[in-house]
Amino acid sequence: DQQVKQNSPSLSVQEGRISILNCDYTNSMFDYFLWYKKYPAEGPTFLISISSIKDKNEDGRFTVFLNKSAKHLSLHIVPSQPGDSAVYFCAASAGTNAGKSTFGDGTTLTVKP
Amino acid sequence: GAGVSQTPSNKVTEKGKYVELRCDPISGHTALYWYRQSLGQGPEFLIYFQGTGAADDSGLPNDRFFAVRPEGSVSTLKIQRTERGDSAVYLCASSLTVADTQYFGPGTRLTVL
Repeated sequence: DQQVKQNSPSLSVQEGRISILNCDYTNSMFDYFLWYKKYPAEGPTFLISISSIKDKNEDGRFTVFLNKSAKHLSLHIVPSQPGDSAVYFCAASAGTNAGKSTFGDGTTLTVKP
Repeated sequence: GAGVSQTPSNKVTEKGKYVELRCDPISGHTALYWYRQSLGQGPEFLIYFQGTGAADDSGLPNDRFFAVRPEGSVSTLKIQRTERGDSAVYLCASSLTVADTQYFGPGTRLTVL
């Protein structure tokens, strides 16, 4: 039973447009959510996070939205750049065990020049 | 400064053999995490340490897997009687405390023939 799901394995967008990556979760105990970016042959790199007490967090071109009632979060990248092409992982953890993160299977984003 | 390093970067072994994978965390980081990533999937939590002790080892798949962090710095993941299904990239991460951002190493690619 996968507790964090990224239903789109891949996404392709044009440079300058918005990229929207989606993530759904099933465990209502999750209260902290993160997005990581991963390039080939490297480990994941932290991108942005959001606590369940918020519904939006913004950092430059990256914004994460959280809809707790729908158990859904999304990552918006505006404007998208070719260097954003990578695999994006959504992850979640519960405050009672903050060290244990559950990851989705990732979405491969390709930004075309 | 130096990031998380993992050795070896690649390990090929035969079914039934014993392997050790090493992780050197960022200096001063008290928390250390091990994940396993199979092809096409996200990182799967195995275990995390707070200092020298394993705070949560619920992700270790069976008793063939064991990890240590004797001095609260370097950690070793040990796999006995390897099976072909153990083939994956093993990722290590560290963070200043459990509540802080995790920094990942590049991983060790384990192939069991």
